[in-house]
Amino acid sequence: DTAVSQTPKYLVTQMGNDKSIKCEQNLGHDTMYWYKQDSKKFLKIMFSYNNKELIINETVPNRFSPKSPDKAHLNLHINSLELGDSAVYFCASSQAGIHNEQFFGPGTRLTVL
Amino acid sequence: KNQVEQSPQSLIILEGKNCTLQCNYTVSPFSNLRWYKQDTGRGPVSLTIMTFSENTKSNGRYTATLDADTKQSSLHITASQLSDSASYICVVSPYSNDYKLSFGAGTTVTVRA
Repeated sequence: DTAVSQTPKYLVTQMGNDKSIKCEQNLGHDTMYWYKQDSKKFLKIMFSYNNKELIINETVPNRFSPKSPDKAHLNLHINSLELGDSAVYFCASSQAGIHNEQFFGPGTRLTVL
Repeated sequence: KNQVEQSPQSLIILEGKNCTLQCNYTVSPFSNLRWYKQDTGRGPVSLTIMTFSENTKSNGRYTATLDADTKQSSLHITASQLSDSASYICVVSPYSNDYKLSFGAGTTVTVRA
């Protein structure tokens, strides 16, 4: 299936732990994104990579570090997890020139206890 | 203040009825306006994309309108079905940075039999 996929779908962990979320897209897109959706349902952009280069880096704690090994993958590593990090994290991808339409993954629900 | 405001926050309609969702935005100038549908536990899926020069765009029973002068958009759902129960999110892409979208908080639609 052509899609944006994320793993894991659910992640429950203790405060202070380090965790990673993986994202892969097989749509051949050049740009990938990480979004955070909080309990109020707002989607907020965190990072964006274009051809493995960081192009958007919003005001996100430096405990969050994205890594793009190639243009089909964008992983998110989070250090020293805090209660406020609990949210749903969405990965997305787009191809410049086609209204830059973004295709979203299924989301990863992170719960920090 | 968020640059994209949606109303109502939620609504309940009976199967077969029509409804209209509203979106007001302040992003200016903008490149395009999108409506996304987000089912519970899933990522957003694009319904329509309109450039600043378009007034209306349809996708099956979904019709979006855009008034760039008043900075308003609406999404009309015709003959609602149970599967239309979801959150509908208005998203505006600024002209200066097509990668950095502004999201509304969404309108949660519940269709009852």
